[in-house]
Amino acid sequence: AQTVTQSQPEMSVQEAETVTLSCTYDTSESDYYLFWYKQPPSRQMILVIRQEAYKQQNATENRFSVNFQKAAKSFSLKISDSQLGDAAMYFCAYRRINSNYQLIWGAGTKLIIKP
Amino acid sequence: DSGVTQTPKHLITATGQRVTLRCSPRSGDLSVYWYQQSLDQGLQFLIQYYNGEERAKGNILERFSAQQFPDLHSELNLSSLELGDSALYFCASSGPGQPYGYTFGSGTRLTVV
Repeated sequence: AQTVTQSQPEMSVQEAETVTLSCTYDTSESDYYLFWYKQPPSRQMILVIRQEAYKQQNATENRFSVNFQKAAKSFSLKISDSQLGDAAMYFCAYRRINSNYQLIWGAGTKLIIKP
Repeated sequence: DSGVTQTPKHLITATGQRVTLRCSPRSGDLSVYWYQQSLDQGLQFLIQYYNGEERAKGNILERFSAQQFPDLHSELNLSSLELGDSALYFCASSGPGQPYGYTFGSGTRLTVV
């Protein structure tokens, strides 16, 4: 069975600095999707970034980028130039290639931004 | 607006009561997923429906049940409510129009008093 592990329950970073959130996963599949979701205090779940496993290039969305290491089954999220609005819970998730399979979730990392 | 509509947004009810949470998926999405999130906890998968049929089941209590109707909206029924059922209940949908992940509704915050 697939599993997703986020080993950092909480992280803090100074505003304007860079922080990396860790995620590892376990699967026997060769093709799949990986995601980072953000949940701010409003509790809305927001997709931050996604990575297709067949793509070697790391995904990037503005200040958010991933370091995808397929062989190591690692999928970390780097947030550059951290802003106060980045404070949130961040969840890593895995999904098999078919669009109708459920996401497998990590336990989440709480990110605190220090002004 | 994410395209996934959940009603009501807030619900306060007493222990022992029964409530129904409603979810309308994004247009064209055939799958609906229900999640429970207690305070400061991660997402607990409850159940998935695909085109009207139950597709996968997670840690859903026997007091809880769900269904998906022909128009693809879904309802989550919670009965004999306990204080511990107080949580945020999310619905999400996925389908051919969004092959990568899925879209969440804004959730229903249930408070059992």
